[in-house]
Amino acid sequence: GIQVEQSPPDLILQEGANSTLRCNFSDSVNNLQWFHQNPWGQLINLFYIPSGTKQNGRLSATTVATERYSLLYISSSQTTDSGVYFCAVTQGAQKLVFGQGTRLTINP
Amino acid sequence: DSGVTQTPKHLITATGQRVTLRCSPRSGDLSVYWYQQSLDQGLQFLIQYYNGEERAKGNILERFSAQQFPDLHSELNLSSLELGDSALYFCASSRGGASGNTIYFGEGSWLTVV
Repeated sequence: GIQVEQSPPDLILQEGANSTLRCNFSDSVNNLQWFHQNPWGQLINLFYIPSGTKQNGRLSATTVATERYSLLYISSSQTTDSGVYFCAVTQGAQKLVFGQGTRLTINP
Repeated sequence: DSGVTQTPKHLITATGQRVTLRCSPRSGDLSVYWYQQSLDQGLQFLIQYYNGEERAKGNILERFSAQQFPDLHSELNLSSLELGDSALYFCASSRGGASGNTIYFGEGSWLTVV
């Protein structure tokens, strides 16, 4: 099955810093989503982005499907950005396959 | 709020017992997915239903079963519970299948088996 690798596994930053999270996938996909899991366990949709670039406030994402990777950018980090960021992909009509996540800690 | 509703939010039960987790998908969504998140296994796909029929199966144990009812809500039944079944169980839904549709997750049901 398809493999999803996220890097880095852990990231610790000061408030106000910028960060880039990466997601590599092993085969072509027709669905790619980024999620934020907050400290209470909620999985929050950030982007549906099988290709191209999207922006939502301080967050933006780019997926280069031909090169099989996606990037999530977080600018001017806030402590509320802390949590685990997951990338998940789908092949065909199959289920979402999740990466292992990047744990982001933003210190005040 | 994703629009996907899961109950109960927290559940503590003893080994050997049986529990039922309930999920109401977003209005208009026909697909329901169940995922298990444990500390050592990450987010694992269990099963998917589309408009009442099983569509895809993942790493779901034989002790676990699920169904989607005519009103599109779904239930995940976990029986003969073991300590290792303690996990966060997510339900998710989408308009159609996983291809080309955003999948929205509920807040999860925390299951603790003691």
